[in-house]
Amino acid sequence: EAQVTQNPRYLITVTGKKLTVTCSQNMNHEYMSWYRQDPGLGLRQIYYSMNVEVTDKGDVPEGYKVSRKEKRNFPLILESPSPNQTSLYFCASSFFSDSYEQYFGPGTRLTVT
Amino acid sequence: KQEVTQIPAALSVPEGENLVLNCSFTDSAIYNLQWFRQDPGKGLTSLLLIQSSQREQTSGRLNASLDKSSGRSTLYIAASQPGDSATYLCAVSIFPDDKIIFGKGTRLHILP
Repeated sequence: EAQVTQNPRYLITVTGKKLTVTCSQNMNHEYMSWYRQDPGLGLRQIYYSMNVEVTDKGDVPEGYKVSRKEKRNFPLILESPSPNQTSLYFCASSFFSDSYEQYFGPGTRLTVT
Repeated sequence: KQEVTQIPAALSVPEGENLVLNCSFTDSAIYNLQWFRQDPGKGLTSLLLIQSSQREQTSGRLNASLDKSSGRSTLYIAASQPGDSATYLCAVSIFPDDKIIFGKGTRLHILP
């Protein structure tokens, strides 16, 4: 089944404790991206990747890191999480950003205390 | 800077009615516009993708139009059903950055 998977689905952590949210797709997509969704602010793009070893900042990259060492995986890293990073995070992928629809993962709900 | 706006933020209509959701964007330099559906607590499901060179796309009871020059798109839902209740989001893929910008969505409630 074609899908985007994220792990974990739910995470509660404390300020400053490094964490990684994994994202994997099995559709051989070139383009992958991370979003956060907050009430009243909608979905905002954090980082995106056009291909392996190519990553770019979205609208809200501060406090996040990403890597794209393999085509199928695009982990989101929070080196020192803070409470303002409490949010619902989505990973998405598509063949290319300019002509193909995006497929979204189920989301990761992160709480930083 | 590209901004995407969806009005209204919420909408309630009786079952069976046809309805239109609106999406506007400030910069016409886009690759495409995509409409999504999001159910509470769930991820996003793609409904329709319109390339910048296209005027409309149809899927079942859904029809999406795009007027790039005026910065507007509409999603038309025919013969609405209670199962159509969800939040509908539009997003544009920006040329040449390849960034994707979302609107804040319209929360649709179909009254049985």
